[in-house]
Amino acid sequence: GENVEQHPSTLSVQEGDSAVIKCTYSDSASNYFPWYKQELGKRPQLIIDIRSNVGEKKDQRIAVTLNKTAKHFSLHITETQPEDSAVYFCAAGGTGGSYIPTFGRGTSLIVHP
Amino acid sequence: NAGVTQTPKFQVLKTGQSMTLQCAQDMNHNSMYWYRQDPGMGLRLIYYSASEGTTDKGEVPNGYNVSRLNKREFSLRLESAAPSQTSVYFCASSEVRGASNEQFFGPGTRLTVL
Repeated sequence: GENVEQHPSTLSVQEGDSAVIKCTYSDSASNYFPWYKQELGKRPQLIIDIRSNVGEKKDQRIAVTLNKTAKHFSLHITETQPEDSAVYFCAAGGTGGSYIPTFGRGTSLIVHP
Repeated sequence: NAGVTQTPKFQVLKTGQSMTLQCAQDMNHNSMYWYRQDPGMGLRLIYYSASEGTTDKGEVPNGYNVSRLNKREFSLRLESAAPSQTSVYFCASSEVRGASNEQFFGPGTRLTVL
């Protein structure tokens, strides 16, 4: 089955800095890579996703890059703000049949004012 | 649209007790999932249902059973709760919409087994 590794487990930055979270996956059949943000005590919510036919996607201050050859993808947050503080999860899955994503273990991002 | 709803929000059980966690979605999604979330472990899949009438085991199914009652509802049952099942449980649903397979999560159930 799919195996997703996520690093780092904790990331501490100053407000205004950039933050990068990296994930690797093992199954070359995976073709959909979402990122979820989970604030303390809340449910995970999708913030950005990318399909394997796209190398990069951007939405305001967040972007995701995908390297299919190396089987890794990354989340980039620029100009971080205190409200970006949360746990971020990557996931990978194939959409050919039933969609069953595998999640990374999460990165706790702390943005210091 | 309520999205995905779960009941109860909190529950405390004694070892050996049983309970059912309820989940419902109003987005007409075919796929529904049950996850457990433990500190440092991410979201681990317990069971999923690709469509009404079908259910399959995920990564950590032992000690759980599920029922896909209809397209809207997917319940999770603990027959004999154990302290190792203390966790936060999330239900989710998804459907392919264009290029997205976004999963929508419920608010979670925080379960403590004493």
